[in-house]
Amino acid sequence: EVQLVESGGGLVKPGGSLRLSCAASGFNFSTYSMSWVRQAPGKGLEWVSSISGNSNFIHYADSVKGRFSISRDNAKNSLYLYMDSLRVDDTALYYCVNYHYDTSGYSFFDYWGQGTLVTVSS
Amino acid sequence: IQMTQSPSSLSASVGDRVTITCRASQIINSYLNWYQQKPGEAPKVLIYGASRLRSGVSSRFSGSGSMTDFTLTISSLQPEDFATYYCQQSYGTPLSFGPGTKVEIK
Repeated sequence: EVQLVESGGGLVKPGGSLRLSCAASGFNFSTYSMSWVRQAPGKGLEWVSSISGNSNFIHYADSVKGRFSISRDNAKNSLYLYMDSLRVDDTALYYCVNYHYDTSGYSFFDYWGQGTLVTVSS
Repeated sequence: IQMTQSPSSLSASVGDRVTITCRASQIINSYLNWYQQKPGEAPKVLIYGASRLRSGVSSRFSGSGSMTDFTLTISSLQPEDFATYYCQQSYGTPLSFGPGTKVEIK
């Protein structure tokens, strides 16, 4: 059974930093791209960042570029998101998501964790 | 790529046929996915590649469309289908979602 368990969320002041972690199990972690997707309270979904299985390809949303850094440790089956210069509008539930490339050539967000809440407030 | 959805919400009865539309701001071929999210839960993929049903998803869900205009259809609405539905383009980064369509009980 695929499991994605996020941790590291919490309350932080504007301008502060936080590191999120995601522990993965139940699939061959190193062969899958992984992503972070966030959802502000009562709002829709926003893609944040993605990283390929070998970490060669990394992408960020414009809203977090230069402030957030995604990384992974395949030996530990873990995904990370380092968030710096946090702003009030970064407040959201952050989901760790497995990104699946189907044999048909299409890709989609497949397995999701339950999320970790980041609250940025003074 | 900007994604829009209509309607933003709808009320329907069990057994109704429900259609949600999604439009992309540029051509994305068939790189369009649909997700269902119930309150307090993580999203779940229903349809990928515009019309491909994800394994394990009920066949009452179907998707159609290409280029810029897409549709999610629920053939006969069931109590467990009351949720918010999001489209998402996988054509290129930055990946983007539609704003969502909330399906409520009439």
